Amino acid sequence: ELKVEQNPLFLSMQEGKNYTIYCNYSTTSDRLYWYRQDPGKSLESLFVLLSNGAVKQEGRLMASLDTKARLSTLHITAAVHDLSATYFCAVPYRYNYQLIWGAGTKLIIKP
Amino acid sequence: NAGVMQNPRHLVRRRGQEARLRCSPMKGHSHVYWYRQLPEEGLKFMVYLQKENIIDESGMPKERFSAEFPKEGPSILRIQQVVRGDSAAYFCASSLRVSGANVLTFGAGSRLTVL
Repeated sequence: ELKVEQNPLFLSMQEGKNYTIYCNYSTTSDRLYWYRQDPGKSLESLFVLLSNGAVKQEGRLMASLDTKARLSTLHITAAVHDLSATYFCAVPYRYNYQLIWGAGTKLIIKP
Repeated sequence: NAGVMQNPRHLVRRRGQEARLRCSPMKGHSHVYWYRQLPEEGLKFMVYLQKENIIDESGMPKERFSAEFPKEGPSILRIQQVVRGDSAAYFCASSLRVSGANVLTFGAGSRLTVL
């Protein structure tokens, strides 16, 4: 059975700092998704990583995928308050639509 | 494009009552998925439907839960005789296809509270 683990689960940081969220998964997969969720809201797709070595960047967020290590990272550069949210990674299990989700990383960025 | 529409956004039921959650997918999307999110947890896959067909219901409890996506109208997730453990946020998502990147577009969720 596929397990997806994120760490840390909670992160409080100051604006302007850099940090990385890690997502490990337990079985082979060639793709991984990152989503963002604001409190009480829906999930917004951030990145789709489709191959080993894939790197995608959007603003202050950069995601990468190492399928050999079964690891994805979400790096935040010079954090700003607007990035406060919960970030989830998800990996397909058997089929593309059956995503297994990490528990989420709750990120609080203090002004 | 209104995106994925779910209603109701909040639903309160007493134990033993029925809950019906509705989901209209994005325009042009024929694949619908339901996920459940317990507080402070990630989402758990429940069911995948296409019009008039349940494709995969392996994540849905065998009893009390059912889902449909009729030819006309929204997809419905139905929970009969609700219990406190059913309290959760239920998210619907849709996609244009299941191959390729298959990015899911989520609705805002329906938050069920069972008293």
